[in-house]
This record gives sequence, structure tokens and C-alpha cells, in this order.
Amino acid sequence: EVQLVESGGGLVKPGGSLRLSCVASGFTFSSYTMHWVRQTPGKGLEWVSSISYNSNYIYYADSVKGRFTISRDNAKNSLYLQMNSLRAEDTAVYYCARDLEQWLILGFFDYWGQGTLLSVSS
Amino acid sequence: DIVMTQSPDSLAVSLGERATINCKSTQSVLYNSNRKNYLAWYQQKPGQSPKLLIYWASTRKSGVPDRFSGSGSGTEFTLTISSLQAEDVAVYYCQQYYSTPRTFGQGTKVEIK
Repeated sequence: EVQLVESGGGLVKPGGSLRLSCVASGFTFSSYTMHWVRQTPGKGLEWVSSISYNSNYIYYADSVKGRFTISRDNAKNSLYLQMNSLRAEDTAVYYCARDLEQWLILGFFDYWGQGTLLSVSS
Repeated sequence: DIVMTQSPDSLAVSLGERATINCKSTQSVLYNSNRKNYLAWYQQKPGQSPKLLIYWASTRKSGVPDRFSGSGSGTEFTLTISSLQAEDVAVYYCQQYYSTPRTFGQGTKVEIK
């Protein structure tokens, strides 16, 4: 059974940093493109970042480019999102998600974790 | 960026009746070289993460009931629930993966009348 478990969310002051983690199980993590998607009541679902299976291809939404860094450790079946210079508008539930097929970057989300909540507030 | 717009924002349908959700994109998501529409649909039940229902505009994910179907091409798409069941109460989202940034519609809330 595919499982994605996020952690690392919490309350952070504006300008602060936080790292989210996602541990995967039930599939060959090292073969799949992975993504971060966030959800806010006001803006709905927003794609944040993607990383190919071998980390050779990385993409970011303009809203986080230069502040967030996606990475992965295939030996640990783990995906990360390092978030710096956090703003109030980054407040959201952050989901990690898996792409549909091995080796490809299709860009839609076959499996989702349960999400971790980030709140940015003073 | 491709903007995805869903209609209606919400709808109430009687059990066993048809529910239809529309999704329009500001530019075509049909890739001419393979004739595939880069459009997916998700279902999000209250308190849960989104779940993939349909991709390539009309391919149902394995395990998704066949009362869910997707249609359309280019810039206009439809998700149809042929016979609404109580467990289908949810918010439904379309998403394009034709280009980066991947973008979602604002969601359509489906309720029981």
C-alpha cells in the first residue's frame, strides 16, 4: 500500500524557516517524481514544487522560487521542502504527492499524504 | 500561467441523479504530438486529502467507480457522476499538467439535495 507521511509543520514567525519531510513507503520511491502541493481555504490547491526521480529536474512555483528548496534522499525514501523567508501567505496545509508513472515527470498527483499544517504568524 | 475555471462553484443533486461539473482552461491543454489532453480530476472529501479520479481527461484511475467519467478536449472539460451516491459528497477539482506551473480549478462542492 502506498503511504506518504508528512511531518515538520508548525507555527513560525514571518521571516523564519522550517523544513518539511515526507516519508514514503509501499512503492519504489527512487523511481518516481515527487511533488509538494499546498492548500489554503482562500486560494485552494496550489502546486509548489516538483523533483524528478534522480533530482536532475526541479521546478518551483514563482510564489516560492528563491525561498523554498525541494530535495530528496532516495536511500531514506524521503522528500523534503526547506522553506526560508516565510510569509503569512505561505500558511497552508502542505501535501507531498507522487506522480503517476515511474521515471516520468507527468505533473499530476496519483497519491497524496495526509498533509502537514504550516502557520506563519507573529 | 494557465487559469482553470470550474462551474458551478457548488451544486446539490438528488441521490441517484446526475451531477455535471465543468472546467475551462485559458489555453488548450491538448498536446498535438500525442493527442492527449493534460487534464486531471480529483475528489476531496471532508477532512481528507485529495484523491485522483481521472487523468488524460477521460482515463479513470484503477478502483474509481465507473459512475465517474471525464470528457472534453482542448479548453473545455466535464466531470460527470452518472448516479450520485451519498459517498460522493466532496469537493472536486480539475488540474492541468500541460505546462508549469501546474494549476487547479477553484473547486466545485457537490452536496445531496
